[in-house]
Amino acid sequence: KQEVTQIPAALSVPEGENLVLNCSFTDSAIYNLQWFRQDPGKGLTSLLLIQSSQREQTSGRLNASLDKSSGRSTLYIAASQPGDSATYLCAVNGGSSNTGKLIFGQGTTLQVKP
Amino acid sequence: SAVISQKPSRDICQRGTSLTIQCQVDSQVTMMFWYRQQPGQSLTLIATANQGSEATYESGFVIDKFPISRPNLTFSTLTVSNMSPEDSSIYLCSVIAGGPETQYFGPGTRLLVL
Repeated sequence: KQEVTQIPAALSVPEGENLVLNCSFTDSAIYNLQWFRQDPGKGLTSLLLIQSSQREQTSGRLNASLDKSSGRSTLYIAASQPGDSATYLCAVNGGSSNTGKLIFGQGTTLQVKP
Repeated sequence: SAVISQKPSRDICQRGTSLTIQCQVDSQVTMMFWYRQQPGQSLTLIATANQGSEATYESGFVIDKFPISRPNLTFSTLTVSNMSPEDSSIYLCSVIAGGPETQYFGPGTRLLVL
């Protein structure tokens, strides 16, 4: 059974710092991995999608990497801003096709202080 | 991408009653899903809403409790039946759309059962 773990559970940093959020999964047979952002009281916003054949994806100040063999993904946020404060969720889509059945981690709650 | 709307955005209900949540997508999508996020928890898949056939439920979720309709490729409803306080959660609609098969989520319906 696939399990997804995110470390740390919470993180507080001063504005401008670069930071890394970690996600690990127990079954390396995944179709893709997606990082989401959730603001308090809001739904999920898709940040980056990494297919199983890819090693990383970049969007602006965000870079996500994937190491399937070790069951790990990282989300790198450069030059953090107070607007980056949110909960970041990692989700794994297992199997050989896109079933849409995402297994989520518990999330990392990030606070960026001005 | 896909833009998803949900109605209602929030509701407070009495135990024993039922609530139907609507999900509308701005484009036709093949795959549509319903997720639940219990307080302080991450997201869990309830079921896959299949157009023209019965929904496919995940372990721990049953049709009598969570009946789902999917009359066409842009709309679905989830009913939470015979509610108890344990059903207090955020219910989110999700679809797969776009070239890289990104998964998108609606804003969620926040349900409180008294």
